[in-house]
Amino acid sequence: AQKITQTQPGMFVQEKEAVTLDCTYDTSDPSYGLFWYKQPSSGEMIFLIYQGSYDQQNATEGRYSLNFQKARKSANLVISASQLGDSAMYFCAMRETGDDKIIFGKGTRLHILP
Amino acid sequence: ETGVTQSPTHLIKTRGQQVTLRCSSQSGHNTVSWYQQALGQGPQFIFQYYREEENGRGNFPPRFSGLQFPNYSSELNVNALELDDSALYLCASSWDRGRPLYEQYFGPGTRLTVT
Repeated sequence: AQKITQTQPGMFVQEKEAVTLDCTYDTSDPSYGLFWYKQPSSGEMIFLIYQGSYDQQNATEGRYSLNFQKARKSANLVISASQLGDSAMYFCAMRETGDDKIIFGKGTRLHILP
Repeated sequence: ETGVTQSPTHLIKTRGQQVTLRCSSQSGHNTVSWYQQALGQGPQFIFQYYREEENGRGNFPPRFSGLQFPNYSSELNVNALELDDSALYLCASSWDRGRPLYEQYFGPGTRLTVT
């Protein structure tokens, strides 16, 4: 069973608009961490934001925020005021406590239009 | 910059050959994980090394093997290369098996092409 689902293979957004990238996850572990990574064409995985399953508030990092809805097992990434440099692949990922691996979704390719 | 480096950047091999990919972890990090990312897919966990011993493995055959050295460097070895091994290989380093959960730093990757 797929543990991380990203239903948007690609998105086109006008520069300066906000964008929401969808992510749902599946786990029976009560303790886990959720991540978003950005991967530009160079290939390097750039960590953006982290949300712990017990965190009471949604995580925010500059223009990035994570809309965490635990009951719905949803962890959407919101990018405010998008910029041309935001064009990249975006991966949602999860790590269960006690497990050493990070499980990634298939990604969403975001295109920011000038 | 994450402080994690990988070499080579690109590599072309022939089916049946063997390949060694290298990763230099961030100083002080005692854990390194390797991931395979096929074109258009998310990274898939291959295995992890903690203090020079394999500590967790994904769904990859034994021809994928690794080594971790005391100087924070590590290797991924793949024997009997197959066409499907063509992918971007990423290493990620962390301290003390990744605590806290988010502190895993990725290198830029090695792009392997098998012909």
